[in-house]
Amino acid sequence: GQQVMQIPQYQHVQEGEDFTTYCNSSTTLSNIQWYKQRPGGHPVFLIQLVKSGEVKKQKRLTFQFGEAKKNSSLHITATQTTDVGTYFCAGRYGNKLVFGAGTILRVKS
Amino acid sequence: DVKVTQSSRYLVKRTGEKVFLECVQDMDHENMFWYRQDPGLGLRLIYFSYDVKMKEKGDIPEGYSVSREKKERFSLILESASTNQTSMYLCASSPPLEQYFGPGTRLTVT
Repeated sequence: GQQVMQIPQYQHVQEGEDFTTYCNSSTTLSNIQWYKQRPGGHPVFLIQLVKSGEVKKQKRLTFQFGEAKKNSSLHITATQTTDVGTYFCAGRYGNKLVFGAGTILRVKS
Repeated sequence: DVKVTQSSRYLVKRTGEKVFLECVQDMDHENMFWYRQDPGLGLRLIYFSYDVKMKEKGDIPEGYSVSREKKERFSLILESASTNQTSMYLCASSPPLEQYFGPGTRLTVT
């Protein structure tokens, strides 16, 4: 079946450092979504990318969708303690959404 | 605001018990989903439904069944709970694009 591989599994950064998580699919995606789950909370939708090569920004967060629509990344500039949580990508294959395993971000102040 | 509610935040059941997890959404979404979340494995789809009385198996349906008698309600049933079904269960509802998740039910089977 379709799989979305997400790395790293875990990252611990100093406050103010940058952070990036990557997702890869072996087959082309219709689109990709990103979610954030705060500790003890539930996943919350952040953004969806649809077009090849698309780049979207939300304040300090930059989302990219690869040219081949098989990979995506989320980059956080100058992390803050409020960024802690697990970030999930979710790739759409037709009518099916497949989640990556998530990247746990810890920020040390 | 979309609201997805789940019947319990925490649940403890014994092996062999029948378990019902309820999910209700208030936005008239046609699509509803049940996931389980385990450390290092992300969210795995158990079942989903695109309409009333309609259900489709996800990636890990074994040991589970679902019921959708009304549009707003999607129930997950563990016919005979086992210890390997100890997990966090998340319900989601969706318009065509993003998914809205409920708060989750942490189920422990002893």
